[in-house]
This record gives sequence, C-alpha cells and structure tokens, in this order.
Amino acid sequence: KNQVEQSPQSLIILEGKNCTLQCNYTVSPFSNLRWYKQDTGRGPVSLTIMTFSENTKSNGRYTATLDADTKQSSLHITASQLSDSASYICVVSDRGSTLGRLYFGRGTQLTVWP
Amino acid sequence: EADIYQTPRYLVIGTGKKITLECSQTMGHDKMYWYQQDPGMELHLIHYSYGVNSTEKGDLSSESTVSRIRTEHFPLTLESARPSHTSQYLCASSEFENPESGSPLHFGNGTRLTVT
Repeated sequence: KNQVEQSPQSLIILEGKNCTLQCNYTVSPFSNLRWYKQDTGRGPVSLTIMTFSENTKSNGRYTATLDADTKQSSLHITASQLSDSASYICVVSDRGSTLGRLYFGRGTQLTVWP
Repeated sequence: EADIYQTPRYLVIGTGKKITLECSQTMGHDKMYWYQQDPGMELHLIHYSYGVNSTEKGDLSSESTVSRIRTEHFPLTLESARPSHTSQYLCASSEFENPESGSPLHFGNGTRLTVT
C-alpha cells in the first residue's frame, strides 16, 4: 500500500533554532517528492519538488533532502522565524499513470516560540 | 502568490441544502482539483479535471459533482448537505507537467463548511 508517513506529528522550537522534519514513503514507482507549507486557515504553498535524481534542494532557509534508496526525505529549517509556524506536508507522486497520483502525508505541525 | 480564489471562505448551512463551492484561477492552468482536508489528516482528492469538459472522480467523490465549462472555473456542488460533509475544501490548479519532474499545485485558501 502506497503511504507517506511524517514525523514528528508536532514540534515546538525557539525562534532562531534549526529543526528537521522527516518524511518516509512507500510509494512505488516513485516520480517526485514535494514539500508544502500550510499556514493556519490558508491553502498549502509549494516549497520544493525533487525528482529521483535530486538529493537536495533549497528554497531560502528551507533545505529538502531525498534518499530514494531508503525512501526518506527531510526538510531542514535554518534559523527559524515566528512566521515558520505552520503545518509542513510531504507529498509523493508515483509514475503509475501518465499524470501521476499524489500521496499526502498528514503533516508536521511546527510552532516557533519567541 | 498564486491567483486561485475560493468563495465563500466560511459557510454554515443546514442539512439537506444544496450548496456550490466556487473556485476560479487566472493562471490558465489546465489541471484543477478539489481536496477535502480534516484537522490533522491528509488531503483527500474529491474530483479533478484535465481541461474544459473533462472531469474525473477522486477518492471521496460519491456525494458531490463538479463541472468544467471554462478553463478558469471549477465549481463543486453538494446536492444535499449532511453533517458528515463538515470539513475544509481546498481547490488547486497546476500546469500540465512532465510526469517525472512534476509541477507544483497552487492552492486556494479553502472553504470551511459546517453543516448543522
């Protein structure tokens, strides 16, 4: 069964600290992996998309890594800010159909305290 | 920020009523989607469309319908609302993509529906 599991479920850190969010997946065949940020009451916003051949991609203070062999991804946030408080969702696309199917994780709820 | 708009933002309605959730995008994207999201849970695909006059059912579509008469407009209709429909409904769009590299989804800010 294709699944996407994220950990931790929730995380609290102090402003300025770094943190790493984890995503494990069983989706096969793999096409690409995406990270989204969802602020409370808003729709998700894309942070990164990585294909099989990419093992790291950055977007400002956000750096995503991908290990396609172990089917794991991480999202590292550097020098956290209050505005980083949000849910971070890992999404994996398969190559089972021409246009791919998306499998969503349940998200990690990050809270940044001053 | 993506140009995709959902109305209303909040809706409280009684059981048995017919409702339509509106979604419009100005990016000219061919692909559009409706997702349902409950707190702490993953998004579930309700319907999707590859273009005008194209609609497909997702995982949770049995109690709703969609139409795609214009590229920019993808409304979702519940013929008879029930308390089990209480949820957040998110509309999204994307460009047609290389299946390998993917194309990001652009989401609206959602409609929070409460059925009493």
